[in-house]
Amino acid sequence: DVKVTQSSRYLVKRTGEKVFLECVQDMDHENMFWYRQDPGLGLRLIYFSYDVKMKEKGDIPEGYSVSREKKERFSLILESASTNQTSMYLCASRLGQLDQPQHFGDGTRLSIL
Amino acid sequence: AQSVTQLDSQVPVFEEAPVELRCNYSSSVSVYLFWYVQYPNQGLQLLLKYLSGSTLVESINGFEAEFNKSQTSFHLRKPSVHISDTAEYFCAVSENNAGNMLTFGGGTRLMVKP
Repeated sequence: DVKVTQSSRYLVKRTGEKVFLECVQDMDHENMFWYRQDPGLGLRLIYFSYDVKMKEKGDIPEGYSVSREKKERFSLILESASTNQTSMYLCASRLGQLDQPQHFGDGTRLSIL
Repeated sequence: AQSVTQLDSQVPVFEEAPVELRCNYSSSVSVYLFWYVQYPNQGLQLLLKYLSGSTLVESINGFEAEFNKSQTSFHLRKPSVHISDTAEYFCAVSENNAGNMLTFGGGTRLMVKP
């Protein structure tokens, strides 16, 4: 069974802080994704990665960056956190192409004060 | 560009009643279609998917969805819901030439009442 683990379930940070959200998958998937989930907006893609050290911008990359130094780990970085980045963040991984399902972590609820 | 519309943000229904959660998409090319379910305090799980072939697809827990190309819809149905079906349901679409992009709808919260 695929396991996608996000390091924190809840996180509270202050405006201007640099914030790291970590995600690890245990199934050797090439593709990994970061989404944010907001009520009524569904999931919006921030960044994805299709291989180590490779990344692509999603729909809403502004204010975020990512790092993928190892295949199993995909980190989301908020360079200078702002209150409008308060949200639920979901990490996902996928094997192969689009006909395969994405496997999600349980999410990190991030509050920026 | 692809987009997904889930027409109902919330659907309250009594236990054992039928339910339909609506999903419409816009795309000019062939698509893959998915329904994901999110139980409280959890991530999303795949419920069912349409890739090709038969337009009616089923899940193991009694849900089904029908791909209607002419109406660009992929509505989710269940003939008799249980309390345990209470969750948020997301429709998602990917275009076959869209690289890695999966576009989600805004979600529908299904609330099953006893």
